[in-house]
Amino acid sequence: DTGVSQDPRHKITKRGQNVTFRCDPISEHNRLYWYRQTLGQGPEFLTYFQNEAQLEKSRLLSDRFSAERPKGSFSTLEIQRTEQGDSAMYLCASSLGQGLKETQYFGPGTRLLVL
Amino acid sequence: AQKITQTQPGMFVQEKEAVTLDCTYDTSDQSYGLFWYKQPSSGEMIFLIYQGSYDEQNATEGRYSLNFQKARKSANLVISASQLGDSAMYFCAMREALSGNQFYFGTGTSLTVIP
Repeated sequence: DTGVSQDPRHKITKRGQNVTFRCDPISEHNRLYWYRQTLGQGPEFLTYFQNEAQLEKSRLLSDRFSAERPKGSFSTLEIQRTEQGDSAMYLCASSLGQGLKETQYFGPGTRLLVL
Repeated sequence: AQKITQTQPGMFVQEKEAVTLDCTYDTSDQSYGLFWYKQPSSGEMIFLIYQGSYDEQNATEGRYSLNFQKARKSANLVISASQLGDSAMYFCAMREALSGNQFYFGTGTSLTVIP
């Protein structure tokens, strides 16, 4: 399977704990995106990498959230001191960056539940 | 203001019939791209079809076609010959040339195909 993969698929944690999610993009894709999706809503943009550089961050990304893509391949999204409002599906997508027609290919998501 | 509006929370269609899912968008940019994604219950977002703002013809991909009406700022998805496997959430999304690399998603339409 050469699609985008995410790990773990599900995570249950207690409020105040830290969690880290991993995304492995399609191998030749230079761009990587993180989104958050809550029930009944479409995905909301969180942040974006071109290779290893984090080029855009949404104002949704509070200082408790940090993302890295250290070697321009896989990426991690860490949430510190989780809150119940962080419960959501976290989606990763990758693309080749071909202008407006750039198509983002999504992973299966990590579903986070904060108790 | 919402960038993407999907006014149909849920739709039902008989198997083998055609169905239209509505999407309107809001942008002052002249150059933009419109996308439709399908999200089955498994959670993964699957790319269906793309329409560029300068494309003169409506996009088609197999059973999917996009009814693009630029003056009305609408980009409706038409699914012909519905199949049971088409039952899923469908999201309309837009990318603007001047807004960096963010995708703006609508709230989605839940489609149920009835046998």
